[in-house]
Amino acid sequence: QLRLQESGPGLVKPSETLSLTCTVSGDSVSFTNFYWGWIRQPPGKGLEWIGSIYYDGTTYYNLSLKSRVTISVDTSRNQVSLKVNSVTAADTAVYYCGRIFSGWGPYFDYWGQGALVTVSS
Amino acid sequence: QSVLTQPPSTSGTPGQRVTISCSGSSSNIGSNDVYWYQQLPGTAPKLLIYMNSQRPSGVPDRFSGSKSGTSASLAISGLRSEDEADYYCAGWDDSLSGVFGGGTKLTVL
Repeated sequence: QLRLQESGPGLVKPSETLSLTCTVSGDSVSFTNFYWGWIRQPPGKGLEWIGSIYYDGTTYYNLSLKSRVTISVDTSRNQVSLKVNSVTAADTAVYYCGRIFSGWGPYFDYWGQGALVTVSS
Repeated sequence: QSVLTQPPSTSGTPGQRVTISCSGSSSNIGSNDVYWYQQLPGTAPKLLIYMNSQRPSGVPDRFSGSKSGTSASLAISGLRSEDEADYYCAGWDDSLSGVFGGGTKLTVL
């Protein structure tokens, strides 16, 4: 049974860096043909695709976030990580990691439970 | 403002058939597949339809998807109270970015 679990600080100060880790169990991020990705959802609002990564490091990013976002993969720990620089209140959201069903777009067939990150001083 | 356009809300009575539209452009829906998600309150979204009209295993055949040109739609027949949720369409844009609709809140009256 594939499971994904997001972890990281729930509170980040403005202008600092948001860092989250997605730990995958029940599958290997490297011995697979799947991309892995991040999607976020501000409180009470819709979904926003952040980006995706393949085990070889190939990445795709939301163009509106690309300058501030880094997604990386650690095959030894079976983890996918997300960093968002220079955060503002607009980055407050529930952040989901997921396995991408097909290709590299916002097509998760497996989701983590989500991690709420609040940007506030 | 979302790249894909969905109605903010819709409603129906038990047993009824409802449809949710998703409108895009030639660079997204017009040239790439559409996916649909169902999000129940307080939970992560669930994949409902993939590649325009395919259902993952476990999704009832009451749910169906279709695509024509630059628009797609999700149909729910035999509406049930447990179908009350937010529904999102998703796709890929040729500008190399994933895109979502703004979501449609379905109320079962």
